Amino acid sequence: ILNVEQSPQSLHVQEGDSTNFTCSFPSSNFYALHWYRWETAKSPEALFVMTLNGDEKKKGRISATLNTKEGYSYLYIKGSQPEDSATYLCAPSTGTASKLTFGTGTRLQVTL
Amino acid sequence: NAGVTQTPKFQVLKTGQSMTLQCAQDMNHNSMYWYRQDPGMGLRLIYYSASEGTTDKGEVPNGYNVSRLNKREFSLRLESAAPSQTSVYFCASSAGTGFYGYTFGSGTRLTVV
Repeated sequence: ILNVEQSPQSLHVQEGDSTNFTCSFPSSNFYALHWYRWETAKSPEALFVMTLNGDEKKKGRISATLNTKEGYSYLYIKGSQPEDSATYLCAPSTGTASKLTFGTGTRLQVTL
Repeated sequence: NAGVTQTPKFQVLKTGQSMTLQCAQDMNHNSMYWYRQDPGMGLRLIYYSASEGTTDKGEVPNGYNVSRLNKREFSLRLESAAPSQTSVYFCASSAGTGFYGYTFGSGTRLTVV
């Protein structure tokens, strides 16, 4: 069982603030790192799949970076909006197995 | 555009009863998964099927069985439900390997009394 840690557990920001979260995972046997966005009463939705050290992905105001050598990834949200309120999950996979181990997530609340 | 369909959405069982959670995907995905979500625990893998005809245990398989009926369908069975199995269950599918994102179903909220 992989040890996946996400910090902070929760975050409360004002509209327009930029913010970032951290995902830490074992660097050995790294294969890929996934980020998901999970709104209340909905299902998790895939944001990014990252595989290469130094990889950077962007989707609108959300971006992510990956450091496979030290085992961490950052998720950034620029100019947070109330619709960004959700729990953000990261999940590494090892080897060629398709299964993911999910962190407990960072819960973001954006208020006006 | 159905994606991943789970049934039922809600279920209340008495201790010792059995039930099967159904999951079907229409994206021609190779891999399917069952996770449970408990407060403070995150999503934990129960069983998965990397491809049609194969199933493997995940992190928390005790008390569950699965069947990969065909490429589309992956069911989860509770033979004798226990209160510890009260949880929200999510089915997911992916094209396979770790490079592909998951598509999740809408979840089944199960309460065992």
